[in-house]
Amino acid sequence: DAGVIQSPRHEVTEMGQEVTLRCKPISGHDYLFWYRQTMMRGLELLIYFNNNVPIDDSGMPEDRFSAKMPNASFSTLKIQPSEPRDSAVYFCASRTGTGYTEAFFGQGTRLTVV
Amino acid sequence: GENVEQHPSTLSVQEGDSAVIKCTYSDSASNYFPWYKQELGKGPQLIIDIRSNVGEKKDQRIAVTLNKTAKHFSLHITETQPEDSAVYFCAAFGFYSSASKIIFGSGTRLSIRP
Repeated sequence: DAGVIQSPRHEVTEMGQEVTLRCKPISGHDYLFWYRQTMMRGLELLIYFNNNVPIDDSGMPEDRFSAKMPNASFSTLKIQPSEPRDSAVYFCASRTGTGYTEAFFGQGTRLTVV
Repeated sequence: GENVEQHPSTLSVQEGDSAVIKCTYSDSASNYFPWYKQELGKGPQLIIDIRSNVGEKKDQRIAVTLNKTAKHFSLHITETQPEDSAVYFCAAFGFYSSASKIIFGSGTRLSIRP
């Protein structure tokens, strides 16, 4: 397996534009997590899914953020409208639901909102 | 919910010396404690983990200790080498809790001086 795949790797957009980040988890993994990493806040959990169902979205900063998982192999994180304070690295991670298993992270998407 | 605190935020040690990073957690239901290493431009990667029924675990130059009573756990790196320079994150996870989310500490930037 190629691991968790995120796209794009880098995104630069203007304030007010819609941004969509994409994630392909490792095949067979039941859980998918979206994290945001900034210098000030470290690694923040935004939302996670179990078997494609959102379980906890309490970390989503505000209504401008939304996440979907239409099937087991694809998830999106959308920001609309984007703001400069959304600039961060966004990571997607996945893990199986069986046993004490590690979460595997993607390479991340570096988002810059100007 | 779970809260994980990590210290120090930065650590500089001479090559060959040992490095220790400490974390505390708040939720007594947490029973799995992974440590991740993040190199520049990459996603975090698991380096070692420990379950709540174990007090210590070692893998070559890396060891982790857990004190469930005090709710703290530590990462020990011996005989440090230049390639150990990275950001390290501790995390806590309640495998059998109703919320299967992994909460990370704020990270420690470790620098190895030649």
